[in-house]
Amino acid sequence: GNSVTQMEGPVTLSEEAFLTINCTYTATGYPSLFWYVQYPGEGLQLLLKATKADDKGSNKGFEATYRKETTSFHLEKGSVQVSDSAVYFCALSRSNQAGTALIFGKGTTLSVSS
Amino acid sequence: AAGVIQSPRHLIKEKRETATLKCYPIPRHDTVYWYQQGPGQDPQFLISFYEKMQSDKGSIPDRFSAQQFSDYHSELNMSSLELGDSALYFCASSLGSGGYNSPLHFGNGTRLTVT
Repeated sequence: GNSVTQMEGPVTLSEEAFLTINCTYTATGYPSLFWYVQYPGEGLQLLLKATKADDKGSNKGFEATYRKETTSFHLEKGSVQVSDSAVYFCALSRSNQAGTALIFGKGTTLSVSS
Repeated sequence: AAGVIQSPRHLIKEKRETATLKCYPIPRHDTVYWYQQGPGQDPQFLISFYEKMQSDKGSIPDRFSAQQFSDYHSELNMSSLELGDSALYFCASSLGSGGYNSPLHFGNGTRLTVT
């Protein structure tokens, strides 16, 4: 079946540190991959996406590259800020068809201190 | 910009009661998704609708039902509530024809507490 595995948190970093959150997936076919972020008390927000192998998604200093050979989509940021503290979810979509659900990983909590 | 509106924000019910959650998608979005998120858990997909027809189904209990109306809003009906139904329920919307170019936009959720 289709699934997403994320590194367990929490991840605790100091401001300006380098961030990596690992994500690997299992899927049939060629899924699209996403990172969503959830701030306390809010819904999930799309952070970035990649729809085919070797694509790099980027947004707000975050990047992730779709690696088909390692079935991975690791999230990275060169210099984190306190405002990046949130829960990060890796997700996949197995189809481009309307209404196809996203399958989420268990989420990784990031805590950044000044 | 208009976002996904969910109502109510908070709901307290007793065991065996029923609950109805409402979701109003972003204007022009024709696809809605329902997710359930337990404390510290990942969102679990329940069900989705595209153009008022069910498009995908996840782990939705038989006690739950949902539909999408002609104005594209959706309602999740939950009956015979159990303590384990206590969770945050998210609705998301997208433009179905946009495929991956139309990402899911999530509402802020309805927090259901069953006592």
